[in-house]
Amino acid sequence: DSGVTQTPKHLITATGQRVTLRCSPRSGDLSVYWYQQSLDQGLQFLIHYYNGEERAKGNILERFSAQQFPDLHSELNLSSLELGDSALYFCASSVAGRADTQYFGPGTRLTVL
Amino acid sequence: GENVEQHPSTLSVQEGDSAVIKCTYSDSASNYFPWYKQELGKGPQLIIDIRSNVGEKKDQRIAVTLNKTAKHFSLHITETQPEDSAVYFCAASLGETSGSRLTFGEGTQLTVNP
Repeated sequence: DSGVTQTPKHLITATGQRVTLRCSPRSGDLSVYWYQQSLDQGLQFLIHYYNGEERAKGNILERFSAQQFPDLHSELNLSSLELGDSALYFCASSVAGRADTQYFGPGTRLTVL
Repeated sequence: GENVEQHPSTLSVQEGDSAVIKCTYSDSASNYFPWYKQELGKGPQLIIDIRSNVGEKKDQRIAVTLNKTAKHFSLHITETQPEDSAVYFCAASLGETSGSRLTFGEGTQLTVNP
């Protein structure tokens, strides 16, 4: 158990809908990262937040957005969902002072029908 | 941006044998190289990592080597056990300059046969 929690574990929804994925980092970690894992693209970096501020963006679609709240939990919002958005979404958090040592949560499996 | 290639994509070994997985990276400025193990239905689990100022690191049956000149790094697992069966991912990071993002290889499915 990495100490990173994600909810929900599974999410099934329809095309065009909007969903919110939630992540709580390990106690004391200030950074939260979101990654998408799909069969054809592998593990891809989406976005990084540090202490409430956006630090870096990867190939994140404009339909996707994220934020980190004062209590350091983060939410990833996916809107106008398409079939191709079906994937595993992982959150990771990093040790304070060692930003790139990242510990992953169990993931949310999103299925868009 | 950074690109990481990983080989082989599948690896099958007998219990007790060694397993080696190799990765190459494209950006010589990368300075952090973690390895993750992912079991079915679970998130990636950090198993070992190495920074660019170190050539080799060991942790019990697992070791990682880094060759900065050739821009490649490898994972070595000795005395493999059936519970080592999983997908292994290598990754590289450019550190703070890239927002500490990890760029992953495509993964290696390791099967340890009893």
